[in-house]
Amino acid sequence: GQQLNQSPQSMFIQEGEDVSMNCTSSSIFNTWLWYKQDPGEGPVLLIALYKAGELTSNGRLTAQFGITRKDSFLNISASIPSDVGIYFCAGLSFAGGTSYGKLTFGQGTILTVHP
Amino acid sequence: EAGVTQFPSHSVIEKGQTVTLRCDPISGHDNLYWYRRVMGKEIKFLLHFVKESKQDESGMPNNRFLAERTGGTYSTLKVQPAELEDSGVYFCASSQDTGWRTDTQYFGPGTRLTVL
Repeated sequence: GQQLNQSPQSMFIQEGEDVSMNCTSSSIFNTWLWYKQDPGEGPVLLIALYKAGELTSNGRLTAQFGITRKDSFLNISASIPSDVGIYFCAGLSFAGGTSYGKLTFGQGTILTVHP
Repeated sequence: EAGVTQFPSHSVIEKGQTVTLRCDPISGHDNLYWYRRVMGKEIKFLLHFVKESKQDESGMPNNRFLAERTGGTYSTLKVQPAELEDSGVYFCASSQDTGWRTDTQYFGPGTRLTVL
């Protein structure tokens, strides 16, 4: 099946630092998504990317859809304590009869921000 | 507007027992999804309902898992009999429509299942 390789697995940073995480795959995805999960909650959508090469920002977050459609990155600038959580990349593929809406997730990046 | 709700939030059972998880999607959302995250690994798709019909159940691990969505509203996921490897967090998500562009899937808080 399709797999997304997300890195790094965890990050420990100081407040104010910038953060970068990425996902790669051997398969092409038509849509890339980035989610954040807070403790005791479900994943919440942060950014959605629909076109190869697309660069999208949402406040201090910036994400890009790779030109090859096989990768994506998420950057967080000037981190703050509330950025703590688990970040997941996810992809949607419409190839091979895959049903719409079936998300493939990366393993997650655990972010810890020290004040 | 209420979000996706799941019940129970935690369940601890012994191997061989039966557990039923419930998901109430956002009102009006025809699409309902079940996902599972085993500790430290990725969140994996289990199945997708459109209203009361199973659109895709390719992620269901085996026939010990049974999902239903009677009347196209809430859904239940039953595990019978539970095995140790079934432990994990079970997420439910719902969305309003699907098409070329993804329609945001709103996730519930999850049910943490522990099988002893």
